[in-house]
Amino acid sequence: QVQLVESGGGLVKPGGSLRLSCAASGFTFSDYCMAWIRQAPGKGLEWVSHTCSPVSNGNDADSVKGRFTISRDKAKDSLHLQMNSLRAEDTAVYYCARGGYGAYYFDNWGQGTLVTVSS
Amino acid sequence: QSVLTQPPSASGTPGQRLTISCSGSSSNIGGNTVNWYQQLPGTAPKLLIYSNNQRPSGVPDRFSCSKSGTSASLAISGLQSEDEADYYCAAWDDSLNGPVFGGGTKLTVL
Repeated sequence: QVQLVESGGGLVKPGGSLRLSCAASGFTFSDYCMAWIRQAPGKGLEWVSHTCSPVSNGNDADSVKGRFTISRDKAKDSLHLQMNSLRAEDTAVYYCARGGYGAYYFDNWGQGTLVTVSS
Repeated sequence: QSVLTQPPSASGTPGQRLTISCSGSSSNIGGNTVNWYQQLPGTAPKLLIYSNNQRPSGVPDRFSCSKSGTSASLAISGLQSEDEADYYCAAWDDSLNGPVFGGGTKLTVL
């Protein structure tokens, strides 16, 4: 069955960096778009970034553009999110999700990893 | 502030039929299909409805969706206590070139 397992979350100071990872299994990773979606404490869902191939063909939300970089490792079936210049408002649970029909919807989600940006 | 607009809360009694609305614009709901997610307390979101009214395997047909213009609604018939959760609508947005979500509706089963 499809499994998505995130890791890499933690506490980081404002202006710092963090790299999230998502290990995928149970499906042909290269056939699917993958995304990061976050949820601030007590808030709703917010799309962060998605990628549809090793060469890119995705996009980032304006709120993270220029600071976050999504990438995928085809050899290891893993998705990553490099987060730089972190701000307090980036504090959230970050979910890795598999895209359906491109990235129009997300049919499988990981359990999430918590990122806390605080001094 | 979310791109799609949902009521923050809804409530109903067991067995009742209930609807949750979702309002958007021509760049998202008006031109693309609508999806709904269910998030049970303390868990990750789960795809409930996709492509307007398709249900993934395992989702009961008590859940259905309709769309008209730039609005959509999720209907839940035969409300059950296990339906108590947060529900999010979503759609692709052609202007943002990414998916957008509603703010979520917290459903309480009385």
